[in-house]
Amino acid sequence: GESVGLHLPTLSVQEGDNSIINCAYSNSASDYFIWYKQESGKGPQFIIDIRSNMDKRQGQRVTVLLNKTVKHLSLQIAATQPGDSAVYFCAELLKTSYDKVIFGPGTSLSVIP
Amino acid sequence: DTEVTQTPKHLVMGMTNKKSLKCEQHMGHRAMYWYKQKAKKPPELMFVYSYEKLSINESVPSRFSPECPNSSLLNLHLHALQPEDSALYLCASSQPGGHWELFFGEGSRLTVL
Repeated sequence: GESVGLHLPTLSVQEGDNSIINCAYSNSASDYFIWYKQESGKGPQFIIDIRSNMDKRQGQRVTVLLNKTVKHLSLQIAATQPGDSAVYFCAELLKTSYDKVIFGPGTSLSVIP
Repeated sequence: DTEVTQTPKHLVMGMTNKKSLKCEQHMGHRAMYWYKQKAKKPPELMFVYSYEKLSINESVPSRFSPECPNSSLLNLHLHALQPEDSALYLCASSQPGGHWELFFGEGSRLTVL
């Protein structure tokens, strides 16, 4: 299940199930949206990105969906594995400056073997 | 070589000390970044260098002083820090025109006593 509160939102899934991590954004000027994965003790690692003129993009075991009407982004991970356990951040690249990548609050994914 | 190397991995300093964090990349990236990350929070952008010039300063206090001696190196000079500055400091780099795909180092864990 998913919990939101004073702590980092956490999503627990069984190994082999699909995971869906959600993200809301507020800036209509964002040109790109990016998902990063951060494992314990490491820096964030790029997973996949999607341009604002697209609705869906697929990678290896991951799919990102963008709904601009409700300013919602999701990351779907197929056949979740223990190695997928990490904190996932959505980030946005603002059109006004191609240097500025701003991270969202993050979701902790815990995979139950 | 797809690594961003940060030193030191851990740093403990007093409020009157002067220290520096160092970051190095050899991927030919011409944009380099400093982010600050508190526990269970997303990385917060501090500074961006583009082609060795400071392009973004996110209103960071002057006790943090960035320096980009050349295209491969990025430093963060620290002086008169406060205990609330204790955090993980992440360095990242990116390709020109690909500023949404950031390559992060593992970070320098700073504790200010």
